[in-house]
Amino acid sequence: QVQLVQSGTEVKKPGASVKVSCEASGYTFIDYYMHWVRQAPGQGLEWMGRISPNSGVTNYAQGFQGRVTMTRDTSISTAYMELDRLTSDDTAVYYCARSSRGGPGAPHYWGQGTLVTVSS
Amino acid sequence: QSALTQPASVSGSPGQSITISCTGTSNDVGTYNLVSWYQQHPDKAPKVMIYDVIKRPSGVSNRFSGSKSGNTASLTISGLQAEDEANYYCCSYAGSSAFWVFGGGTRLTVL
Repeated sequence: QVQLVQSGTEVKKPGASVKVSCEASGYTFIDYYMHWVRQAPGQGLEWMGRISPNSGVTNYAQGFQGRVTMTRDTSISTAYMELDRLTSDDTAVYYCARSSRGGPGAPHYWGQGTLVTVSS
Repeated sequence: QSALTQPASVSGSPGQSITISCTGTSNDVGTYNLVSWYQQHPDKAPKVMIYDVIKRPSGVSNRFSGSKSGNTASLTISGLQAEDEANYYCCSYAGSSAFWVFGGGTRLTVL
């Protein structure tokens, strides 16, 4: 069965960076896009971007351009999301989510989420 | 402000049916049959209930169904049960400029 296991809770100071990992199992890692979605406390879901594990090509939401970097390590079936220049507004749960299909597909299988708290 | 518009809340009694709407534009919902619906209980990860407008993943109750007309997609839940009480989000592909967009979410209360 498809499983996505994310790294643990992070506490960061304003201005710092955070890198969240997402280890995939139960399917062929390179065959499906990996999305990253975040959810601020009490708020809705926000799409951040996606990466093609096969090619490494990324697409980022406009609001994160220049501040987010998505990468992957195919040897260990793991995707990464790094967010720079953190502010308190970046306090949120960050989810990775595998695409529903090999082509354009919405987030389908979700990781358990990683809480990132930004506080001085 | 979310790209897709959902009602903030809906409610229904056990056994009743409810419908949640998700209004977009001709740039997203109106053009692509790539609308998904997610159920999220408190402090849990979202769970896909409907994808590609009408498809239901294995294991999801057939009480959940999706549809689309023009720029508006809808999620219908029939035979409401207490465990359906949750937040529901729609998501649509929006082409190669915005890629994927979410609705603001709808809180479903089972009375």
